[in-house]
Amino acid sequence: DGGITQSPKYLFRKEGQNVTLSCEQNLNHDAMYWYRQDPGQGLRLIYYSQIVNDFQKGDIAEGYSVSREKKESFPLTVTSAQKNPTAFYLCASTLRQTGSYTGELFFGEGSRLTVL
Amino acid sequence: SQQGEEDPQALSIQEGENATMNCSYKTSINNLQWYRQNSGRGLVHLILIRSNEREKHSGRLRVTLDTSKKSSSLLITASRAADTASYFCATASGYSTLTFGKGTMLLVSP
Repeated sequence: DGGITQSPKYLFRKEGQNVTLSCEQNLNHDAMYWYRQDPGQGLRLIYYSQIVNDFQKGDIAEGYSVSREKKESFPLTVTSAQKNPTAFYLCASTLRQTGSYTGELFFGEGSRLTVL
Repeated sequence: SQQGEEDPQALSIQEGENATMNCSYKTSINNLQWYRQNSGRGLVHLILIRSNEREKHSGRLRVTLDTSKKSSSLLITASRAADTASYFCATASGYSTLTFGKGTMLLVSP
């Protein structure tokens, strides 16, 4: 079945360590996104990519890095520079946006990162 | 920055009742979308309404959009316990991204 797979579902990290969250999609979507969700909060955009080898910062990119070497994959690295990384991370994808139109996003099941 | 703001923050109703959630936003949009999130899960798209549409239906869902008031509402008719979830509105403003509100937590009791 087509969809988005995020891994791991749960991740524990010690302070000072970098961690990488995986996001893979087999929907043939061009655009991919990373959002962060804190308890009782909405989603905040970290990074997004509309095409392979290109990505843009979102509202809260500091302390995070991404790569987009393949259409299917958009991994997110949470670096030690991120001061409060404990959160629920959601990856999403959609067909390539044309003009000013943004369509339906398809989400993965999320990765919950806890810093010990 | 968060564009949409949902109201109420939490809503508790009985099965069979209707649930209405509202979303207000600040800048012009090209479409507005509603999503559902079960606890600890990813978001699921429910419905998209374009800026030139006023009302849209999908099953038990009815969405309205008033661009003059910069507001939208989501109505779930004949609620079921399985509708218990958080509901988010998201606005698309022409930058290839969606901006989400903080959501409304809906509890439907049997």
